[in-house]
Amino acid sequence: QQQVKQSPQSLIVQKGGISIINCAYENTAFDYFPWYQQFPGKGPALLIAIRPDVSEKKEGRFTISFNKSAKQFSLHIMDSQPGDSATYFCAASRAGGYQKVTFGTGTKLQVIP
Amino acid sequence: NAGVTQTPKFQVLKTGQSMTLQCAQDMNHNSMYWYRQDPGMGLRLIYYSASEGTTDKGEVPNGYNVSRLNKREFSLRLESAAPSQTSVYFCASSVGQGDSPLHFGNGTRLTVT
Repeated sequence: QQQVKQSPQSLIVQKGGISIINCAYENTAFDYFPWYQQFPGKGPALLIAIRPDVSEKKEGRFTISFNKSAKQFSLHIMDSQPGDSATYFCAASRAGGYQKVTFGTGTKLQVIP
Repeated sequence: NAGVTQTPKFQVLKTGQSMTLQCAQDMNHNSMYWYRQDPGMGLRLIYYSASEGTTDKGEVPNGYNVSRLNKREFSLRLESAAPSQTSVYFCASSVGQGDSPLHFGNGTRLTVT
């Protein structure tokens, strides 16, 4: 039972372009949606997160867009750079109480010069 | 400040052998987790410990056991390794609240032949 669906599985973007990764969730009890970034040989690390009381959150070149009615959220990377090449995981959890995070299947992003 | 430390980094086992993966965190976090990462499957929760003295099954617990040795350490044991357990294993820790970030170690790459 996959509660968080992520697409695409892989993505190639030219330097300077926009990278877009999409996720959809099923459990309406989820109310915290983080994105994790993973470089080869390393563990994932928190990149940016959003709660459903806002429709968008921006940190530098990274933006999360959130559509509560559609149960979808996406990560946009503006002006993509080769250093952004990594695997990105969306995730979902319940903010209140004990944390148990459900991850998407991951998107491998390659930014080519 | 090392964060989350996992040992070993690599391991090759024969089918039926046993081993213990070690994890320690120095951030005084309450909660600790074991995930496995497989291509196309994302990160799947094996076991977690919400606080010292408690452990619970995650999404894929079969074939594994865990021990929360103290607040710092959380080990994962494979009693009789199977080829299906070939994976990259990540330990993570967090404060515990649903909207607190997970801090991951750099993983153990396990191959079972």
